[in-house]
Amino acid sequence: GAGVSQSPSNKVTEKGKDVELRCDPISGHTALYWYRQSLGQGLEFLIYFQGNSAPDKSGLPSDRFSAERTGGSVSTLTIQRTQQEDSAVYLCASSLRLGTAEETQYFGPGTRLLVL
Amino acid sequence: AQKITQTQPGMFVQEKEAVTLDCTYDTSDPSYGLFWYKQPSSGEMIFLIYQGSYDQQNATEGRYSLNFQKARKSANLVISASQLGDSAMYFCAMREGPTYKYIFGTGTRLKVLA
Repeated sequence: GAGVSQSPSNKVTEKGKDVELRCDPISGHTALYWYRQSLGQGLEFLIYFQGNSAPDKSGLPSDRFSAERTGGSVSTLTIQRTQQEDSAVYLCASSLRLGTAEETQYFGPGTRLLVL
Repeated sequence: AQKITQTQPGMFVQEKEAVTLDCTYDTSDPSYGLFWYKQPSSGEMIFLIYQGSYDQQNATEGRYSLNFQKARKSANLVISASQLGDSAMYFCAMREGPTYKYIFGTGTRLKVLA
């Protein structure tokens, strides 16, 4: 597709369950990013990938969060044992590559997660 | 300390008027990038404009321009000839130094009045 796609668009889960969020970046984009946006807040950076590598995982809120990227394309963000405070919109973005103007990030529509 | 500060939680502007949305940033790294994004009620983040720290000219993209004052560490977004469709949340963001983390401000909600 032409843009970044994310699935599911909405996810309702029960506290303690695991969830997996998927991101399909723009074709040819080598860099991929995950963010979290809580209601009425700005974006909180979680993690980025250059190719399949995530050089810095310090932005992940806890060890319940993990992310992987395979084949330099699709990425999944997994949240284990979800908590109510995990409820937010999770946004994925991709950029052509890292560095200068080519780092401009293009965002997907997000996955709205609600933990009951 | 806040790395990106947007001091205007909400702004109103009359249709066809120009409006300036403020953004100040804090970094000691000489290499950084500044970005503005628009987030309409649909939720998608839309890239508007980019300014690199070494760019000599202020960035412009159609009706959007960035008033970059490096010494004051400000990167204000100017929207000329406002349209009703410009009503949205606007975020300023910075990529700081050799990391590729984006730091976002808290946003400014713009409402364009007919």
